[in-house]
Amino acid sequence: DQQVKQNSPSLSVQEGRISILNCDYTNSMFDYFLWYKKYPAEGPTFLISISSIKDKNEDGRFTVFLNKSAKHLSLHIVPSQPGDSAVYFCAANRRGSQGNLIFGKGTKLSVKP
Amino acid sequence: DARVTQTPRHKVTEMGQEVTMRCQPILGHNTVFWYRQTMMQGLELLAYFRNRAPLDDSGMPKDRFSAEMPDATLATLKIQPSEPRDSAVYFCASGLGTAGNTIYFGEGSWLTVV
Repeated sequence: DQQVKQNSPSLSVQEGRISILNCDYTNSMFDYFLWYKKYPAEGPTFLISISSIKDKNEDGRFTVFLNKSAKHLSLHIVPSQPGDSAVYFCAANRRGSQGNLIFGKGTKLSVKP
Repeated sequence: DARVTQTPRHKVTEMGQEVTMRCQPILGHNTVFWYRQTMMQGLELLAYFRNRAPLDDSGMPKDRFSAEMPDATLATLKIQPSEPRDSAVYFCASGLGTAGNTIYFGEGSWLTVV
């Protein structure tokens, strides 16, 4: 039973346009959500996070939105750049789990020049 | 530049052989995780430690996998005997063990069992 779901395995976007990556979760005990980016042959790197008490967090070109009632979060990248091409993982932390993250399967983003 | 260090980066081994992967967490981090990445399952948690004590290894096949932290600077993941289905990328990550803190990944150990 997958608690964190990224239903789109891949996404292709034109450079300069907005990229929207989606993530759904099932566990209402999750209290912190994170996005990681992964390039080939490298480990995942932290991108942006959001606490469950907020509905939006912004960092430069990256914004994460959280809709708790829908158990849905999304990552917006605007404007998208070719260097953003990577696999993006959504992750969630369960309250009291001491930093143990549950990951989705990832979405591969391709930004075309 | 603090980082999680993993060895070996790549390993090809024959079925039945023992494989040991090592991880040096970031200095000062008290929580260490082992994840496995496959095409089918994405990133799945195998085991994690807090202050060197195992907290959860329910994601790990107990009959062939074992994880230990001999000291605060070394975590090991051992597979004995290895099987072709163990072929994957194994990531070690470390963190401060609180919900608001991120965890930091190493570059992974690419394992191929033939």
